[in-house]
Amino acid sequence: NAGVTQTPKFRILKIGQSMTLQCTQDMNHNYMYWYRQDPGMGLKLIYYSVGAGITDKGEVPNGYNVSRSTTEDFPLRLELAAPSQTSVYFCASSYERVSYNSPLHFGNGTRLTVT
Amino acid sequence: KNEVEQSPQNLTAQEGEFITINCSYSVGISALHWLQQHPGGGIVSLFMLSSGKKKHGRLIATINIQEKHSSLHITASHPRDSAVYICAVSAGAGSYQLTFGKGTKLSVIP
Repeated sequence: NAGVTQTPKFRILKIGQSMTLQCTQDMNHNYMYWYRQDPGMGLKLIYYSVGAGITDKGEVPNGYNVSRSTTEDFPLRLELAAPSQTSVYFCASSYERVSYNSPLHFGNGTRLTVT
Repeated sequence: KNEVEQSPQNLTAQEGEFITINCSYSVGISALHWLQQHPGGGIVSLFMLSSGKKKHGRLIATINIQEKHSSLHITASHPRDSAVYICAVSAGAGSYQLTFGKGTKLSVIP
């Protein structure tokens, strides 16, 4: 099993550009998450999904969109990139809700710089 | 909103030392996660616990629900343990969200 695969690993965007961060998992997990990690801060939840066709906002959703057309894929879309979106982005998945002692499986992260 | 505080922020230890990292939270929880972030950035799940104690190899995690506190212990530390250790808590049984601490950066010197 590859686990959770994120692409790209690095990306530099100009202000106003758009891009999609790809995330796929091969563990048949229903629950998937997008987090951002800023220097010196804890991870923040951007969006999450509890299954194909179902998504919901997390703590910091502004400027982002997601879709979940299949169990495996959970892409994150950035529209009109802004410098405040410079961060490291992590996709994660879990078999059950994180409140049920279900471990999180993380991708390797995408380092995004917006200039 | 749950606040998660970790201490210390930074920790340097000699190889072989016993290490303790602390995590305190402000609101009752249903689950607590300990994560390890490698120097290269990857994050792996170490433990999830809602009560008591868990052990995996040289790592031990404990939680005291009444005191809203958890500790991560590393016995016989090794340079390969150098990483950032992150505590995260889930507020309720139906919650999909975790509140993360800022992490403790551990450096183990040979």
